[in-house]
Amino acid sequence: EVQLVESGGGLVQSGGSLRLSCAASGFTFSGYWMSWVRQAPGKGLEWVANIKQDGSEKLYVDSVKGRCTISRDNAKNLLFLEMNSLRGEDTAVYYCAREREDYYLDVWGRGTTVTVSS
Amino acid sequence: QSVLTQPPSVSGTPGQTVTISCSGISSNIVINTVTWYQQLPGTAPKFVMFNIDERPSGVSDRFSGSKSGTSASLAISGLQSEDEADYYCAAWDDSLNVAHYVFGTGTKVTVL
Repeated sequence: EVQLVESGGGLVQSGGSLRLSCAASGFTFSGYWMSWVRQAPGKGLEWVANIKQDGSEKLYVDSVKGRCTISRDNAKNLLFLEMNSLRGEDTAVYYCAREREDYYLDVWGRGTTVTVSS
Repeated sequence: QSVLTQPPSVSGTPGQTVTISCSGISSNIVINTVTWYQQLPGTAPKFVMFNIDERPSGVSDRFSGSKSGTSASLAISGLQSEDEADYYCAAWDDSLNVAHYVFGTGTKVTVL
């Protein structure tokens, strides 16, 4: 079964850091671009970042540039999102998703919740 | 960065057809494919339409997609209670130096 499972969310103080992980199974992880998408409470979806199959290309939404780093470990089928200088507006459910060639996200995890307190 | 504009809500009675619009600009919808996601309450999003008008396996043929110029649409015919959810359009945006994936503002579909 194709599956993505996020972990690493939690409660963190403003200015703090957190590292999210996403464990992939049931498919050849190294063959796909991967994305992180977040959803603030009661709000819509916001794409956060994506990373190429070999990690050589990474793109970020403006609001996290310089504060977040996406990375992957293809040997362990893991995707990461390192988040620093966290702000209240980073409070959200963070989903990892598999990206297909025609720019759509076909497999999603259940999400992990990040809460930034002031 | 860019955002795709959707109506906040649409509603219909069982059996009716509802249409959700998605308005973008030349750097996204015009030149790139559009995807539609359905998010049932408390769950992760699921794609229900890709490449503008292609349905993934398992998605009802009551769902159809289209695109014209800077707008795209998702139509749900024969509306059923199980269709009640939030729907988001999305497209890759090729704005100069700030390429990114952009979601629509979301539309809540209510079955009356």
